[in-house]
Amino acid sequence: EAGVAQSPRYKIIEKRQSVAFWCNPISGHATLYWYQQILGQGPKLLIQFQNNGVVDDSQLPKDRFSAERLKGVDSTLKIQPAKLEDSAVYLCASSPSDWSEQYFGPGTRLTVT
Amino acid sequence: AQTVTQSQPEMSVQEAETVTLSCTYDTSESNYYLFWYKQPPSRQMILVIRQEAYKQQNATENRFSVNFQKAAKSFSLKISDSQLGDTAMYFCAFVSNNNDMRFGAGTRLTVKP
Repeated sequence: EAGVAQSPRYKIIEKRQSVAFWCNPISGHATLYWYQQILGQGPKLLIQFQNNGVVDDSQLPKDRFSAERLKGVDSTLKIQPAKLEDSAVYLCASSPSDWSEQYFGPGTRLTVT
Repeated sequence: AQTVTQSQPEMSVQEAETVTLSCTYDTSESNYYLFWYKQPPSRQMILVIRQEAYKQQNATENRFSVNFQKAAKSFSLKISDSQLGDTAMYFCAFVSNNNDMRFGAGTRLTVKP
């Protein structure tokens, strides 16, 4: 069974630039999550999708972050414009239901300079 | 609000010995799941073990076992016969059916040869 795929693995941008991350969940998993993990901390949920609908985006900074999950499969997370404090690892995870164990992708390490 | 606390930022253990990582949580929910995830330097979050709150029996997965004390809201992870490959960050996580998954701040475990 293929795992959760994410790209790119690394990205370096200057502040005020835009960036997008892509995630392909495990086939058949209805629930998809985006997390932000700042160095030295545990992951923090940014947004949760159930199929192509948003379940929870209460911690998503909506003035600069956006996410979509068209057709209920792949998802993209965008930051526009980026700030220095957005430097973090962005993790995508998927699960068969909304409260079972989550399967994580390898993450994208973003550095904003 | 649900919170997860890992009070040991760093721990070390000699190869082949046993180590216990602590986790406490706070919730008013009666049914929930608890997890331990491992995050090696590669950043991939890997599920180590899960525990369902309504099950009294402690979960076990090979060298990994938990001590689940529901009344005390404690969920510690015991790693027996520690191996060099166990070196990683370990995150305790909690999820209930109406909340997103919450992670602790993590414990950095180093297995020494």
